[in-house]
Amino acid sequence: QKEVEQDPGPLSVPEGAIVSLNCTYSNSAFQYFMWYRQYSRKGPELLMYTYSSGNKEDGRFTAQVDKSSKYISLFIRDSQPSDSATYLCAMSVSPNQFYFGTGTSLTVIP
Amino acid sequence: DTAVSQTPKYLVTQMGNDKSIKCEQNLGHDTMYWYKQDSKKFLKIMFSYNNKELIINETVPNRFSPKSPDKAHLNLHINSLELGDSAVYFCASSRLAATDTQYFGPGTRLTVL
Repeated sequence: QKEVEQDPGPLSVPEGAIVSLNCTYSNSAFQYFMWYRQYSRKGPELLMYTYSSGNKEDGRFTAQVDKSSKYISLFIRDSQPSDSATYLCAMSVSPNQFYFGTGTSLTVIP
Repeated sequence: DTAVSQTPKYLVTQMGNDKSIKCEQNLGHDTMYWYKQDSKKFLKIMFSYNNKELIINETVPNRFSPKSPDKAHLNLHINSLELGDSAVYFCASSRLAATDTQYFGPGTRLTVL
């Protein structure tokens, strides 16, 4: 079983929709959680970072961590065509070693 | 100004060859990483260096060897290339720990024929 599971999609939504991206994990010791966005043929870029449980909001993006369910989510409000990318979750026990999900491919249709 | 750069961008080579990928960061970061992203988009850490010292060495064949001449550079040498080594290799850097924002390079697409 992989440490981190993520539905690869693809996911297509109309512009303006609310997008929900999710990851589950098996290691209850994970305490650092990140979401990365990766455009085609580019390196991943950090979107959101949370430590332990709770919510974090940044503009149109909200990250949620539910440690009791071993489940994290990224919500994108008012989605835009420029949000079309692959979104990767990542998590870690220690500060130097992250495990990444396989990524969910998102297309926002104008 | 490029923060993390990698060369080459594309690398096509025959099985059995030895090749190197170079990585440089101009952010003054102390920690650098190598990741492998396979065709299924799974990103897996290979190595992590902090101030020229190896701190993570995941289960990677010893054909892969990182070399850090200084804290701004972390090169990846691969000996006796195999078909399964075909992937995109990303270099990244962060200030101290991986909980600091990691900045990724553009990736090197390696194809082994």
